[in-house]
Amino acid sequence: QKEVEQNSGPLSVPEGAIASLNCTYSDRGSQSFFWYRQYSGKSPELIMFIYSNGDKEDGRFTAQLNKASQYVSLLIRDSQPSDSATYLCAVNRPGNQFYFGTGTSLTVIP
Amino acid sequence: SQTIHQWPATLVQPVGSPLSLECTVEGTSNPNLYWYRQAAGRGLQLLFYSVGIGQISSEVPQNLSASRPQDRQFILSSKKLLLSDSGFYLCAWSPGHGYQPQHFGDGTRLSIL
Repeated sequence: QKEVEQNSGPLSVPEGAIASLNCTYSDRGSQSFFWYRQYSGKSPELIMFIYSNGDKEDGRFTAQLNKASQYVSLLIRDSQPSDSATYLCAVNRPGNQFYFGTGTSLTVIP
Repeated sequence: SQTIHQWPATLVQPVGSPLSLECTVEGTSNPNLYWYRQAAGRGLQLLFYSVGIGQISSEVPQNLSASRPQDRQFILSSKKLLLSDSGFYLCAWSPGHGYQPQHFGDGTRLSIL
């Protein structure tokens, strides 16, 4: 079982719609959870992080964490073509061990 | 604020040649440092991480090595490159305390001919 699993996609949404990206993790000892955006040919860029159960909102982005279900999600409201990228989910476990998912490719169609 | 520098941005090397990639972090002290490789269309593969000067942990067996000669400097090396070493190499740092995120450099795209 992989530490972090994501649907590879591709996920396509029309411009202005809500994009929903999902991630599950295997270790209940995971302490913090991150979403990175990676444009083609570029390095990953941190866009959201969440530590506690519930929702955390930052502009058009909302991260949701459910530790009981070991589930993290990222919602992107009013999706724009510039949001087209691969989104990486990552978790941090005790000992500062980071684990990344393989990413979900998102395409926003104008 | 903290910044991470990684160079060169692109590199083309012949098979069997040596390699040295460098990464430095500014604006913080005692960071954790990481080297990743990303093959085209694939996920991140952790190669090495370091929690302090001279302390290197290797995640996968390969012909690569890493060194941390100074607190904020991390170097990835190879004595003889293989074709399979091609990829996108990323350096990252995170604070040495707490469950805080990693931050990535701009990466080095390495092509082996």
